[in-house]
Amino acid sequence: GQQVMQIPQYQHVQEGEDFTTYCNSSTTLSNIQWYKQRPGGHPVFLIQLVKSGEVKKQKRLTFQFGEAKKNSSLHITATQTTDVGTYFCAGHPRGGSGTYKYIFGTGTRLKVLA
Amino acid sequence: GAGVSQSPSNKVTEKGKDVELRCDPISGHTALYWYRQSLGQGLEFLIYFQGNSAPDKSGLPSDRFSAERTGGSVSTLTIQRTQQEDSAVYLCASSLNGGQNRQYFGAGTRLSVL
Repeated sequence: GQQVMQIPQYQHVQEGEDFTTYCNSSTTLSNIQWYKQRPGGHPVFLIQLVKSGEVKKQKRLTFQFGEAKKNSSLHITATQTTDVGTYFCAGHPRGGSGTYKYIFGTGTRLKVLA
Repeated sequence: GAGVSQSPSNKVTEKGKDVELRCDPISGHTALYWYRQSLGQGLEFLIYFQGNSAPDKSGLPSDRFSAERTGGSVSTLTIQRTQQEDSAVYLCASSLNGGQNRQYFGAGTRLSVL
C-alpha cells in the first residue's frame, strides 16, 4: 500500500543547532502538507507544497518539495526550545481514488536541549 | 464554534463494550477526517467524508468500526465490541472543502480499553 516514511524518527539537538527531517513517499504525490504536534497536543498545520521543486520559507523554517514529487524536507535553522514537538508530513497520492485521503508520515520527534 | 470539537476527551471502557466518539467540525467545512494515533506513533487514516459524496472508508481497520456524518456536519465514530488494541487517541479534522486545503484538528478522544 501507499506509505510515507520519515527520517529520522527522533532527533535531539542543542539549542541553536539546525535540524532537518525528510519525508519519502512510495508513490508520487499531488501535494504535501506539514504539521507540528506539541507534546500532549494535536497536529497544527504549518504549510502546503504543491509544485515540483517548490521551496517555501517561514521565518527559520524552510520546506522543500522534490522534483519528482515523492519526497519533501523541513529544515529548521537555529532551533529554539519552542520548536520541540513531532513534525509530520502528509501526502495526497496523485491519481488517487478521487477522494482527498491524506497519508501521514511516521513523524520525527524533535527535542531541543537548552 | 471556533474550532473542531471532540467529545468525550477521555473514555475508559471495558473490553467488549461499544463506544461512540463525536466530532463537531468547524462550521462551513464540508470535509471531515478521522484518524487514529497510538502512543508515540503517527496518524493512521480511518475515514474521510466530503459533502454528500460516499465516504472513503478504506482506512477502517475492521468491520467493528463505522462512522456516520449527519446533515453534513457532526460525525460519530462507533467502535463495536472494543478490544484492547483499540486503545489510542482518535483525532478528527475538518477542512474547508477537502482537496488541497489545510486540516484543522480537534483535541482528540483518548480511548482506553481495559
